[in-house]
Amino acid sequence: DTGVSQNPRHKITKRGQNVTFRCDPISEHNRLYWYRQTLGQGPEFLTYFQNEAQLEKSRLLSDRFSAERPKGSFSTLEIQRTEQGDSAMYLCAHNRSTQYFGPGTRLTVL
Amino acid sequence: SQQGEEDPQALSIQEGENATMNCSYKTSINNLQWYRQNSGRGLVHLILIRSNEREKHSGRLRVTLDTSKKSSSLLITASRAADTASYFCATAGGSYIPTFGRGTSLIVHP
Repeated sequence: DTGVSQNPRHKITKRGQNVTFRCDPISEHNRLYWYRQTLGQGPEFLTYFQNEAQLEKSRLLSDRFSAERPKGSFSTLEIQRTEQGDSAMYLCAHNRSTQYFGPGTRLTVL
Repeated sequence: SQQGEEDPQALSIQEGENATMNCSYKTSINNLQWYRQNSGRGLVHLILIRSNEREKHSGRLRVTLDTSKKSSSLLITASRAADTASYFCATAGGSYIPTFGRGTSLIVHP
């Protein structure tokens, strides 16, 4: 148990729809990270939060992506107007030097 | 973009043999971490080695770091079928945002 839960575990949506994922770390470490992983690749950094502040965003995070961490605990990642290229596993992790990953949300865009 | 690159991309060995995976990176780092990922249990942190360390052990795992060559190796001794997984190295610089490689796929045959 890594102390991170993610919901939903799987999401199938049609192109053009909006989707939202949630990450709940059990312990409230300061830093929370979002990654995206496609088949055969390692996780790619998307963004991270220090408490409720979003401190860095990757170039991969287009304008259609938005992330929040309103109270410095759980976080949400929303993708608007989904495209087939958004199909991937979305991973959340917490802690600073050692990352503890959640099980991920697998998104399939039809 | 991915900083670390694991080598080999795939490795197939018999149970009881040792498995060695290498990671090369391009820019200076604060630490390097190794993770394991299998389909059933997600990404799991194995070991972290700081830039001022040369070698670390954890059970059957041995990690070395050569900052002059910008490379690291992960040795799994006396491998077991349960070690079958993908192994990723992740490097972190001043921002402590880990950047993952594409991974080595290890298959251990019983």
